Amino acid sequence: DGGITQSPKYLFRKEGQNVTLSCEQNLNHDAMYWYRQDPGQGLRLIYYSQIVNDFQKGDIAEGYSVSREKKESFPLTVTSAQKNPTAFYLCASSIDGRRHYGYTFGSGTRLTVV
Amino acid sequence: GQQLNQSPQSMFIQEGEDVSMNCTSSSIFNTWLWYKQDPGEGPVLLIALYKAGELTSNGRLTAQFGITRKDSFLNISASIPSDVGIYFCAGVAGAQKLVFGQGTRLTINP
Repeated sequence: DGGITQSPKYLFRKEGQNVTLSCEQNLNHDAMYWYRQDPGQGLRLIYYSQIVNDFQKGDIAEGYSVSREKKESFPLTVTSAQKNPTAFYLCASSIDGRRHYGYTFGSGTRLTVV
Repeated sequence: GQQLNQSPQSMFIQEGEDVSMNCTSSSIFNTWLWYKQDPGEGPVLLIALYKAGELTSNGRLTAQFGITRKDSFLNISASIPSDVGIYFCAGVAGAQKLVFGQGTRLTINP
């Protein structure tokens, strides 16, 4: 079955530590995205990538970094510079074509800073 | 930047009631999408709309692409307990990047 996999589902981090969230897709989608969701809030775009080896900042990129070395993978690193990292993180992918079929989302990673 | 205003922010209804929610924007969109998010999961696409005036159904769900291309609504008929969740609208303009509404949280009393 094709899909998008995020791991781990739950992640705990001590203050001052970097942590990397994994996102893998086997849908052969060109574009991938990272969103942050806070309780009772909508989705805010962190970073996105429309092609391998290229990515763009979203609306809230400060304190985060990404890489896109392979089409299937788009890991997100939450650095110690992110002041309030506790949140639900969602990865998504899409075919980057003329007609937009929407994003396919992963099941999310809940990050808690302890 | 582009923004979507989604309303209501939350709804508390009785099982069996119909539900209506909408999204509006000051910007024109080429595509409107409606997603549902279950607790602790990622959003799942419900309906996609591609033409102004288009009315599309998916079971008990019906969505419309506003004629001005600046709004869309979603109706759910005869609600059931599994309809509980957060519903998001999303619009696509020229840049292929989705803009999301803030979500409508639906709670159903049995």
